[in-house]
Amino acid sequence: DAGVIQSPRHEVTEMGQEVTLRCKPISGHNSLFWYRQTMMRGLELLIYFNNNVPIDDSGMPEDRFSAKMPNASFSTLKIQPSEPRDSAVYFCASSTAQGNTGELFFGEGSRLTVL
Amino acid sequence: GNSVTQMEGPVTLSEEAFLTINCTYTATGYPSLFWYVQYPGEGLQLLLKATKADDKGSNKGFEATYRKETTSFHLEKGSVQVSDSAVYFCALRPNSGYSTLTFGKGTMLLVSP
Repeated sequence: DAGVIQSPRHEVTEMGQEVTLRCKPISGHNSLFWYRQTMMRGLELLIYFNNNVPIDDSGMPEDRFSAKMPNASFSTLKIQPSEPRDSAVYFCASSTAQGNTGELFFGEGSRLTVL
Repeated sequence: GNSVTQMEGPVTLSEEAFLTINCTYTATGYPSLFWYVQYPGEGLQLLLKATKADDKGSNKGFEATYRKETTSFHLEKGSVQVSDSAVYFCALRPNSGYSTLTFGKGTMLLVSP
């Protein structure tokens, strides 16, 4: 079975450019999460969706970041305009349950470098 | 709020040594506790979990016991291998409504032959 699929795996862009990261969750999972990983801050939850509806976006750094989930099989995280401090690995994860025993399944991540 | 504190790394061991990575947490109620592992260039994957006090999670020779009295969930393995070299994350998930994982900062383990 396919796991969580993220694209692109690597992205190098210049400051001020728009970046769009994509995620396809595992089929049948109803929760989707976007995390950011940096050396300084570790793993930070940016936003999560349940049944395509954003439940908590308090981790989104600022208005330059936006996330959408137009259907159960696709989500995007957009940064516009990008800045060097946005350089990080962005992970998408999905889950099948809201209960506290639910395991998160992570994609392989999108490594973003903003020059 | 909820938080997870892990020992800082890197932890450097020789093959077949005993491993302990400490993890303590702060949370209201009775969260579920998890250890995730991240191998180089990959995403996180679940290693083990425990959902209530005194439960022991185990997988691939790793173990961790949910200790409510000390709010801890230390990861142990009796004999590490080079292939265990990775970053290990302790995490909790509250037992209430919509909730997601709160992660510790991760502990890198380096095992040498």
